[in-house]
Amino acid sequence: DAGITQSPRYKITETGRQVTLMCHQTWSHSYMFWYRQDLGHGLRLIYYSAAADITDKGEVPDGYVVSRSKTENFPLTLESATRSQTSVYFCASTHGLRGEQFFGPGTRLTVL
Amino acid sequence: DQQVKQNSPSLSVQEGRISILNCDYTNSMFDYFLWYKKYPAEGPTFLISISSIKDKNEDGRFTVFLNKSAKHLSLHIVPSQPGDSAVYFCAASDGSNYKLTFGKGTLLTVNP
Repeated sequence: DAGITQSPRYKITETGRQVTLMCHQTWSHSYMFWYRQDLGHGLRLIYYSAAADITDKGEVPDGYVVSRSKTENFPLTLESATRSQTSVYFCASTHGLRGEQFFGPGTRLTVL
Repeated sequence: DQQVKQNSPSLSVQEGRISILNCDYTNSMFDYFLWYKKYPAEGPTFLISISSIKDKNEDGRFTVFLNKSAKHLSLHIVPSQPGDSAVYFCAASDGSNYKLTFGKGTLLTVNP
């Protein structure tokens, strides 16, 4: 399917566990982003990537790790999950400087 | 420090009337502004954008107005329809990279 997909859509994990959220896009967009959405905070940027093997921190990167070995994939890893990382996570991609970002359907993560 | 502010968490309007959603920004380097719409359990979708060289952009029922001196933009929806009920996010870019800064969102409810 064309577009941007995220998996899993729902995840429940325990404090201290490692969890990886997957993001895949079929447009060959160079730029990809990870956001978290929390009540009262809107969308906050966690990490972004300008191309394969090029990543940079966003507004709230602590506790998260990203990698981008292939243009189409941009996984987000929580190395040791905490309750404060309970959130809805959105992946997005864009084709250029003024191009709007296209969002995936989101992953709802609950950390117990 | 919140650079993009949507001071109204919610707005309720009658079907057929005008909806006006407001957004203020503090960063004078922002030169491109976007509005996104988000339904529950879905990712945000791009709605309309405006460059700082313009003061108005129209797309069907949706019009965005930009007042640079006041650092204020607004989204007008005329006429409002029940299907417009969603959370609307304002976002801004400074043109130096591909990142967007989002507001916290406004929940619009259009009553039949």
